[in-house]
Amino acid sequence: DTGVSQNPRHKITKRGQNVTFRCDPISEHNRLYWYRQTLGQGPEFLTYFQNEAQLEKSRLLSDRFSAERPKGSFSTLEIQRTEQGDSAMYLCASSSEGSTDTQYFGPGTRLTVL
Amino acid sequence: KQEVTQIPAALSVPEGENLVLNCSFTDSAIYNLQWFRQDPGKGLTSLLLIQSSQREQTSGRLNASLDKSSGRSTLYIAASQPGDSATYLCAARGGSYIPTFGRGTSLIVHP
Repeated sequence: DTGVSQNPRHKITKRGQNVTFRCDPISEHNRLYWYRQTLGQGPEFLTYFQNEAQLEKSRLLSDRFSAERPKGSFSTLEIQRTEQGDSAMYLCASSSEGSTDTQYFGPGTRLTVL
Repeated sequence: KQEVTQIPAALSVPEGENLVLNCSFTDSAIYNLQWFRQDPGKGLTSLLLIQSSQREQTSGRLNASLDKSSGRSTLYIAASQPGDSATYLCAARGGSYIPTFGRGTSLIVHP
């Protein structure tokens, strides 16, 4: 097991385009989180899945954002009609219910909206 | 709403010093508190996690303590090394399992 992976690592897009990011959690982890981080700030929670169910969604997540985890394994985060303010690092983390529930983070996807 | 504050925001020390990084949170009803390290442009690496029923955790040169009643956690780094240079973040997780992060302490350890 190589940990949490995210693809792509970098994405440059023009304002108004749609983008999709993928997160592959650690295989036995049933919890998956998406965060957004801008320079000089800590990660901000976006949404949380337990298995395939989306249990929490931040009010920061506008209608242009949608996340899925169709089979309780990998997850996708889609941003429609991107805006320059969406430029940020998008981080994914996974954890296992029970035991210590430690979160393990992926390397992130850096989004730049021109 | 949980708020997490980390002090200091930045720290520069010579190699070999012992350090204390502070994390305070406003809602003491937490499930756990986790400390992370982040290198520039990278994801977060978990350092230590303290459950709400615990008082401290240790890993190598790192020791983290938790005082729920005062809403504080500290990360102690012994005998700092240049390789410890990074941003250190704490995250307090409440009953909804949603973590709230601080803005981090940027640490530079110079030789």
